[in-house]
Amino acid sequence: SQQGEEDPQALSIQEGENATMNCSYKTSINNLQWYRQNSGRGLVHLILIRSNEREKHSGRLRVTLDTSKKSSSLLITASRAADTASYFCATDAGSGGYNKLIFGAGTRLAVHP
Amino acid sequence: DVKVTQSSRYLVKRTGEKVFLECVQDMDHENMFWYRQDPGLGLRLIYFSYDVKMKEKGDIPEGYSVSREKKERFSLILESASTNQTSMYLCASRLAGQETQYFGPGTRLLVL
Repeated sequence: SQQGEEDPQALSIQEGENATMNCSYKTSINNLQWYRQNSGRGLVHLILIRSNEREKHSGRLRVTLDTSKKSSSLLITASRAADTASYFCATDAGSGGYNKLIFGAGTRLAVHP
Repeated sequence: DVKVTQSSRYLVKRTGEKVFLECVQDMDHENMFWYRQDPGLGLRLIYFSYDVKMKEKGDIPEGYSVSREKKERFSLILESASTNQTSMYLCASRLAGQETQYFGPGTRLLVL
């Protein structure tokens, strides 16, 4: 089964609104990453949060991590039409230097002008 | 900037054909990965390679093989394509010891 599971599966908002996506996972992790995928394209790394961090910011992105609940959230503030994409969380739980990422199924975000 | 390229954006093959998907990265990354992406399932790891001539099975290696003869190139091989291998295939690379993976644009494969 998947390590990371995003919620909601789909989100539709108006430009200027905030978008919040959640990710839950099952096992202990070294870090959790968020990626974006524009329609039919490859994934682009957005932000990484380590297991000893609780919150991280990058521009309009804010990520939180609650290791006790094994969950993370991605907040996009003041959304734009260009933010329309699928967003994936990926957990890194490896050891010994052979770290693999396990991806969730993603949240499809639609931002309407 | 890291650039990961994949040989084809779209590919149509027939059942039973041998299919080669090529991935090339230009940043001297040691680690390379092949994923398939299906609706509702996210990305699933097929194979990965930590360095030249090294390969490790991922979560769904059945029906696939890989080749890593040169550091910059990682090939995914479907020995005998089947319709259930119709999918989007994504290649990624990563510098050893780093966490971020860099993805190619993907190859959408249709097996008829």
